[in-house]
Amino acid sequence: AIRITQSPSSLSASTGDRVTITCRASQGISNYLAWFQQKPGKAPKSLIYAASTLQSGVPSRFSGSGSGTDFTLTISYLQSEDFATYYCQQYYYYPPTFGGGTKVEI
Amino acid sequence: QVQLQESGPGLVKPSETLSINCTVSGGSISSYYWSWIRQPPGKGLEWIGYIYDSGNTNYNPSLKGRVTMSVDTSKNQFSLKLTSVTAEDTAVYYCARDPTGGYSFDYWGQGTLVTVSS
Repeated sequence: AIRITQSPSSLSASTGDRVTITCRASQGISNYLAWFQQKPGKAPKSLIYAASTLQSGVPSRFSGSGSGTDFTLTISYLQSEDFATYYCQQYYYYPPTFGGGTKVEI
Repeated sequence: QVQLQESGPGLVKPSETLSINCTVSGGSISSYYWSWIRQPPGKGLEWIGYIYDSGNTNYNPSLKGRVTMSVDTSKNQFSLKLTSVTAEDTAVYYCARDPTGGYSFDYWGQGTLVTVSS
């Protein structure tokens, strides 16, 4: 299965900060990468698919970029509600696989 | 707004069968692919498989032989059965919607913890 290496595993930030999370795939996956946000006890929320396309309703401070093996999720201006764990997922190769997560803490 | 809600037993004994339901509200179960994904405590997410509204299924080879999924369109519900469970099957189990069968998920349930223990 394709390995997705996500970094960092955790980070500390303040509201208003710009935050960048990266995912690296062990093989090229074109742009078949999604990003999710998860808060404790809540359903994961889909943020981005196709590496850079925002799901409907997702604030524009979230953006995604990358293609091939290297991908980035950027939160341009961190808000209090953005403190959560973020996951990436590839869906180019079968079976789909996930990164290990990045916990964004205050 | 589409919502998914898992319901499960919480505790299952080793060697028995784990059964979880996912009820879809705010939208139809028809014309979508419905996946199960799990996350053992402290570990990563693992896709288990999907079912289409017609009943067609696709299971992760890592679990094949132990997994069965079913769908009840009249109840807007789909289900997961995992047989011969061990402690390694202890996890939070999520259901999720895949709009195209391309393994990209747009809506998720909040998950249900199933613990395998005697």
